[in-house]
Amino acid sequence: KAGVTQTPRYLIKTRGQQVTLSCSPISGHRSVSWYQQTPGQGLQFLFEYFSETQRNKGNFPGRFSGRQFSNSRSEMNVSTLELGDSALYLCASSYSGGQGYTFGSGTRLTVV
Amino acid sequence: ELKVEQNPLFLSMQEGKNYTIYCNYSTTSDRLYWYRQDPGKSLESLFVLLSNGAVKQEGRLMASLDTKARLSTLHITAAVHDLSATYFCAVDQNTGNQFYFGTGTSLTVIP
Repeated sequence: KAGVTQTPRYLIKTRGQQVTLSCSPISGHRSVSWYQQTPGQGLQFLFEYFSETQRNKGNFPGRFSGRQFSNSRSEMNVSTLELGDSALYLCASSYSGGQGYTFGSGTRLTVV
Repeated sequence: ELKVEQNPLFLSMQEGKNYTIYCNYSTTSDRLYWYRQDPGKSLESLFVLLSNGAVKQEGRLMASLDTKARLSTLHITAAVHDLSATYFCAVDQNTGNQFYFGTGTSLTVIP
């Protein structure tokens, strides 16, 4: 059974650019969550999607957005990148939430 | 906002010893999760605790949940080097889809 797949694994961007990260959940999983992990702030919740609808959003600026497609694949977008956006971005999927999530390997974003 | 505290933040222990990691959280929740993260890797699910008094064991690790005390523990028995990793607890506010993570406990097991 394939796990949660995130692409790309590594990304280097310049301040002011925008970036799109992709996440393919485990087959049959309909809930996809995104988290940002940094040494200073730890793991912070970005947003969660279920059946193409955003159910929850964390305390991040509007530059961070996401969406989910009908096949449950999800993307997150960060516009006008700042140095502080450098982080490991983790995607996680679950059938419906509540039973715990399976995490992907993450996308390491470096903003220079 | 729900706050999750773990202690200790860093733990260095000898092989064969026992120790406990504590996870306290600030508001009512019946759901608590433990994850392991190796350096440069993603999070691996260890335990899902969904009710007061829940206890789960896997190998040398045992997790428990006391929702009245808002406390979960991860007990390590007879530690081995392979257990060296960072351990996170996570709590959700009974929605099941938004986790609040603890700060993590970096565990090093010394031969």
